[in-house]
Amino acid sequence: DVKVTQSSRYLVKRTGEKVFLECVQDMDHENMFWYRQDPGLGLRLIYFSYDVKMKEKGDIPEGYSVSREKKERFSLILESASTNQTSMYLCASSSPGPTNEAFFGQGTRLTVV
Amino acid sequence: DAKTTQPNSMESNEEEPVHLPCNHSTISGTDYIHWYRQLPSQGPEYVIHGLTSNVNNRMASLAIAEDRKSSTLILHRATLRDAAVYYCILRSITSGTYKYIFGTGTRLKVLA
Repeated sequence: DVKVTQSSRYLVKRTGEKVFLECVQDMDHENMFWYRQDPGLGLRLIYFSYDVKMKEKGDIPEGYSVSREKKERFSLILESASTNQTSMYLCASSSPGPTNEAFFGQGTRLTVV
Repeated sequence: DAKTTQPNSMESNEEEPVHLPCNHSTISGTDYIHWYRQLPSQGPEYVIHGLTSNVNNRMASLAIAEDRKSSTLILHRATLRDAAVYYCILRSITSGTYKYIFGTGTRLKVLA
């Protein structure tokens, strides 16, 4: 069974902390994505990566960075967490091409206090 | 980037067909239309996709308007397990990579 695994389902961090959200996929996918999901706003793309060490900004990259040192792992980094980054974070992966489906992880509910 | 517009919510009775509409008036010729759904406490999952022609699979059917500015996801017989948020997405190419552009989705409520 194909799988995208996010390291934590729930996370509570303090304002100003550096936060790492980890995502691992076992499908040898080139493309990986990070989204955040907020009520009334749907899923918004933060960053995506189309290959190892390659990344592109999505629609809301401010306050975030990413790292992709290995093909199977894509990390989202909050350099200095703030309360407005409290959200559900979803990781996804897919093969390149317009017809390929994306596979999503279960999500990480991050609360910044 | 092209955007999609969907109704916030819809209701359906169990065992009846459901037609979920989506507008994407700024779609470009290379954009594929995908539909995903998100069950409670889960990540989104793929339902169906298409480019120009109508498509059927075991989960649903996708009807695409001739001008491609709108599409409709059809669930032929809604069940309680189909209660979810349904997202109409354009798989759009940027810098040589296809990314997924989500809208806000339609929350489908299925009544027993």
